[in-house]
Amino acid sequence: QLVLTQSPSASASLGASVKLTCTLSSGHSSNGIAWHQQQPEKGPRFLMKFNSDGSHSRGDGIPDRFSGSSSGAERYLTISSLQSEDEADYYCQAWDTGIRVFGGGTKLTVL
Amino acid sequence: EVQLVESGGGLVQPGRSLRVSCTAFGFAFGEFAMSWVRQAPGKGLEWVSFIRNKAYGGTAEYAASVKGRFTISRDDSQSIAYLQMNSLKTEDTAVYYCTRDLGGGSDHWGQGTLVTVSS
Repeated sequence: QLVLTQSPSASASLGASVKLTCTLSSGHSSNGIAWHQQQPEKGPRFLMKFNSDGSHSRGDGIPDRFSGSSSGAERYLTISSLQSEDEADYYCQAWDTGIRVFGGGTKLTVL
Repeated sequence: EVQLVESGGGLVQPGRSLRVSCTAFGFAFGEFAMSWVRQAPGKGLEWVSFIRNKAYGGTAEYAASVKGRFTISRDDSQSIAYLQMNSLKTEDTAVYYCTRDLGGGSDHWGQGTLVTVSS
C-alpha cells in the first residue's frame, strides 16, 4: 500500500534554508513524487515534480529557491533564502497504478 | 495560460446528490488526465478520483471512500470534467479541487468549490 509520511511541522528563520521530508512506504522507494504548496486561505499550487532518476521540473513561475532531492525512500524539498510568503503547508503526492496519494502535509513556519 | 475553473458547489442534505464541474482553458484538454482532490475543513488534501484521457481508454479510478457513490466523467468537446456525487454524507463536506493530472502528479489546480453536506 502506497503511503506518504510527512512531519506535521517545521520552522526556520527568514533568509535561512529548510529541508522538508516525505517518506515513501515500503516497496515504493523508487516512486517519483510531486510537491505542492498551500499558503494560508489559498488553494494548493504545484511546485515541482521529482522523478526517481533525480530529474525534476518546476511549476510555472516557481523560483529555483525551491529544489528537490532524494535518498532511498525519502524525498526532500529544500527551500533556500526563506521569505515570509514561504510560510505555508507543503504536501507531497505520489502515484501508482490506479491511485494517487497525498502525504499529511508539513506546516512550515518562517520565524 | 492554463486555467481550471470549478463550479457547482453548495449546500446539500445528506443522502442527496450534487454535480460539480471543472472547465479548462489554455491547453489541449483531451490530451490530459484530470483529477479531483478534496480538502475537508482544517484537514489535508485527499485524492478523490481521476479519469484518463481517451488515448488511455478514458477510464476512471476512485478512492475507497467514494467508490460506488461518486462518478467522474469528461466532455472533451467542451473541455469540462465532472464529478457526480450521490448518497452524500456529512464527511464529504470539503472544498473540491480540479487538477490537471500528468499521469502521475497534478501540475495545475483550480480555485476549488465548496460542498457542504448538512441537514
